[in-house]
Amino acid sequence: GQQLNQSPQSMFIQEGEDVSMNCTSSSIFNTWLWYKQDPGEGPVLLIALYKAGELTSNGRLTAQFGITRKDSFLNISASIPSDVGIYFCAGRSGNTPLVFGKGTRLSVIA
Amino acid sequence: GAVVSQHPSRVICKSGTSVKIECRSLDFQATTMFWYRQFPKQSLMLMATSNEGSKATYEQGVEKDKFLINHASLTLSTLTVTSAHPEDSSFYICSARVIPMNTEAFFGQGTRLTVV
Repeated sequence: GQQLNQSPQSMFIQEGEDVSMNCTSSSIFNTWLWYKQDPGEGPVLLIALYKAGELTSNGRLTAQFGITRKDSFLNISASIPSDVGIYFCAGRSGNTPLVFGKGTRLSVIA
Repeated sequence: GAVVSQHPSRVICKSGTSVKIECRSLDFQATTMFWYRQFPKQSLMLMATSNEGSKATYEQGVEKDKFLINHASLTLSTLTVTSAHPEDSSFYICSARVIPMNTEAFFGQGTRLTVV
C-alpha cells in the first residue's frame, strides 16, 4: 500500500541534543499524526495535527503540519534516554485509513 | 486519550490451529476498527478495516478466509487467524477510530503471535 517518505531512517544522538525528523507525501492530507512505538508495544499517539500550518507542542515535542499539506515534521528538544524508540508519522485524507511512514529509529547515547 | 485494549499480548500456537485476538475500546464507541500486521523493524501494514455490523474490507493480498474479522459491537472487534502456519507469526495490532468525529486513531498494545 501507499507509504509516506519518512526520514531519517535512524538517528544516534547524544543525550541533551535536539532531534528533527520529517515526513513527505505525494498526496494531500487533512490529518497528520506522530506516534512513538516501544519494542513489543503498540504505537502511542504523541501529537495530532489537523490544519495546514498548525504548530503543536507536547512537552519537549513539537510538530508542524506543512503549508502544502504534503509534509510534517517532529522535533524533540533536549533528548533524554527514554526518548529511545521508533517514531512513526501517519497521514490521512478524509475518512480513509491512516498511511504510515517507515519509521525513524532513535537511539540516545547518555 | 482513549484506551484500546488488545488481548492476548502474546500467544504461541501449533500449526493448523486457530487463534483469536480481541480488540476492545474501553471508554469510547468505535464505529471503525483497523487491524495491522507488523514485521520486525518494519512499519505497520494495514490488513483490514472493520465497521460495526458489516463485513470487513480487506486490503489487497490479505486472505479474508485466513484472517476472519468480526466487529459485532461498538466496543469489540476480533481477528481470528485460521489454520495458522509459521509464516503467520507476526505482531498484530488493532486500532480504533470514531467517525465522523475527527478523532485520532488509538492503538492496542499489540499481540505477538508465534506459530510452532
